[in-house]
Amino acid sequence: DSGVTQTPKHLITATGQRVTLRCSPRSGDLSVYWYQQSLDQGLQFLIQYYNGEERAKGNILERFSAQQFPDLHSELNLSSLELGDSALYFCASSVGLAGTGYEQYFGPGTRLTVT
Amino acid sequence: DAKTTQPTSMDCAEGRAANLPCNHSTISGNEYVYWYRQIHSQGPQYIIHGLKNNETNEMASLIITEDRKSSTLILPHATLRDTAVYYCIVRDNYGGSQGNLIFGKGTKLSVKP
Repeated sequence: DSGVTQTPKHLITATGQRVTLRCSPRSGDLSVYWYQQSLDQGLQFLIQYYNGEERAKGNILERFSAQQFPDLHSELNLSSLELGDSALYFCASSVGLAGTGYEQYFGPGTRLTVT
Repeated sequence: DAKTTQPTSMDCAEGRAANLPCNHSTISGNEYVYWYRQIHSQGPQYIIHGLKNNETNEMASLIITEDRKSSTLILPHATLRDTAVYYCIVRDNYGGSQGNLIFGKGTKLSVKP
C-alpha cells in the first residue's frame, strides 16, 4: 500500500459525459501528479500540482482540468468524454519538487471506460 | 531528460538473480537513474534510484557504470511476484525542475518457476 488513495476504482460512462476522479496523497506529500495509461500510449504525464499551485503540464487535453485543494487532495475533471479517453488514470504524490527522496508514490488507479 | 534504452522482455528463473540492463548514454552530470516497476495494471512502484554510486535497498541493487552511461537493476532472488514491467527513468533532481516522470516502454520481466 503506497498510501495514495484514488476513487473511484472503476468508472463506466457514456461519450459526451463529464467525470471527476479524486486523489488523496500520502500524508505530508505536497506534490500531486496525474498520469494516463492507455493501451497504445503507455504511461503519459498529464499535470502536476505543488501545494495547491499548478507546476507542470504534460499531454493534457483542453477538455481535462485538475486542481489541488487546501487539504492537498486533488481532482481530475474529464469532460466531453470520447471513446479514446478510456484508460487507467493514476495519481502519484511526492514530498516536494526535487531533491533526494524525490520518489513518487502511485495510487491504485481509476479505470475509466467510455462507451 | 535523457532517453533510456531497455530490452523489451526478459525471462528469469525463480530464485535466481534478475539483472535488468538500461542504457542512458546521453545522461548528464546532474541526472539520476530511477527504477520503477508496474505489476499488471497496478500503480507503478518505486524501486530505487542513484546518481553515480551503487545503491542497495531491501528490494534491489542498482549498479551504475563509472561513465554513467548504463546501469543494471538487480533483483537478487527473483520470485513469481516480481513479474512486472520495469522502467528505467533518468531525470534531474534540481529544485527548479519539473517533477514528472517520463516512462518509456520498459522491460517485461517474466519470472518462471
